[in-house]
Amino acid sequence: GENVEQHPSTLSVQEGDSAVIKCTYSDSASNYFPWYKQELGKGPQLIIDIRSNVGEKKDQRIAVTLNKTAKHFSLHITETQPEDSAVYFCAATPQELSGGGADGLTFGKGTHLIIQP
Amino acid sequence: NAGVTQTPKFQVLKTGQSMTLQCAQDMNHNSMYWYRQDPGMGLRLIYYSASEGTTDKGEVPNGYNVSRLNKREFSLRLESAAPSQTSVYFCASSDLGLTQHFGDGTRLSIL
Repeated sequence: GENVEQHPSTLSVQEGDSAVIKCTYSDSASNYFPWYKQELGKGPQLIIDIRSNVGEKKDQRIAVTLNKTAKHFSLHITETQPEDSAVYFCAATPQELSGGGADGLTFGKGTHLIIQP
Repeated sequence: NAGVTQTPKFQVLKTGQSMTLQCAQDMNHNSMYWYRQDPGMGLRLIYYSASEGTTDKGEVPNGYNVSRLNKREFSLRLESAAPSQTSVYFCASSDLGLTQHFGDGTRLSIL
């Protein structure tokens, strides 16, 4: 089955600086890579995702890059703000887009992002 | 729009007791999932239901059963709770090819 490794486990950055979180995956059949943000006492919320036919995707201060050859993908947050403090999870799945079933996600173990004022 | 609703939010059980965690979604999604989250372990898939009437095992199914009651509801049952099942349980739903939406979890302690 799929195995997702996520680094670092904790990341502390100064407010306004950039943060980068990296993940690797093992199953070459994986084709969908979401990133989730989890705040204390809440469920994970999707912040951005990327499919294997795309190398990069941006949404305002957040971007994700994917290198299929190396089987790794990264989350980039620019101009960090205090509200970015949370736990971030990467995930991967060989998600079918039509017919059949929809497999669950395989998650990394999470990165605790701390934004220092 | 409620999204994914989980009940109860908190529960304390004694070893050997049984209980059912409830999950309902109002987004007309076909697929539903149960995950558990343990410190330092991320989220791990217990069971999922790709569509109404089907269920499949995930990574950590032992000690659990599920029921896809209808398209909206997917329940998780612990028949004989063990301390190792102390965890936060999350339900999620998705439509084919789209994002998984999560509830806010059930925090379960087994003494």
